[in-house]
Amino acid sequence: SQKIEQNSEALNIQEGKTATLTCNYTNYSPAYLQWYRQDPGRGPVFLLLIRENEKEKRKERLKVTFDTTLKQSLFHITASQPADSATYLCALDNENYGGSQGNLIFGKGTKLSVKP
Amino acid sequence: DTAVSQTPKYLVTQMGNDKSIKCEQNLGHDTMYWYKQDSKKFLKIMFSYNNKELIINETVPNRFSPKSPDKAHLNLHINSLELGDSAVYFCASSHRLGIQYFGAGTRLSVL
Repeated sequence: SQKIEQNSEALNIQEGKTATLTCNYTNYSPAYLQWYRQDPGRGPVFLLLIRENEKEKRKERLKVTFDTTLKQSLFHITASQPADSATYLCALDNENYGGSQGNLIFGKGTKLSVKP
Repeated sequence: DTAVSQTPKYLVTQMGNDKSIKCEQNLGHDTMYWYKQDSKKFLKIMFSYNNKELIINETVPNRFSPKSPDKAHLNLHINSLELGDSAVYFCASSHRLGIQYFGAGTRLSVL
């Protein structure tokens, strides 16, 4: 079955630097991959979706790449700010239930801390 | 206007009790979900309903019973609560593209 690895449980960086978070999957290539942000005591909030035929997606200071050969997605936050501190989750479609119904499996997340 | 709302936010109860968590979404989505997030923060799907029909039922004890009276509501009833049920439970909904909108969570503590 599909496994998702976000290989850093925690990432500490200095304000203004670029944060790069990694999401690797082990099995089939998903039709799409999503990134979410979760703040303490809150539910995850959707950030970006990238499809299997897209190499890169951008939204303001956020950039996501998707490499189906490496089975990896990278999530970048440029010019990071303390307000970017949160846990970031990657998610992809669940092969057990088909990829088009929005049924996702989530990685364990990377907790990002941006120091002023 | 809250898109996905779940109640209560906190639930403290004794082992063996039965409790319910309610969820409502006003986004017009067809699909709703229940997730469990344990102490290690791992978010795992429990159930998914599409237009009131059960789509996903992961390996969840049958003490957990979801009910969807209409496509805007998905409630979770838990019988005979156990210590291991302590977690944060999230309700979510999605449209066909699969982007999910989560509620704020219900923190369940079983004593």
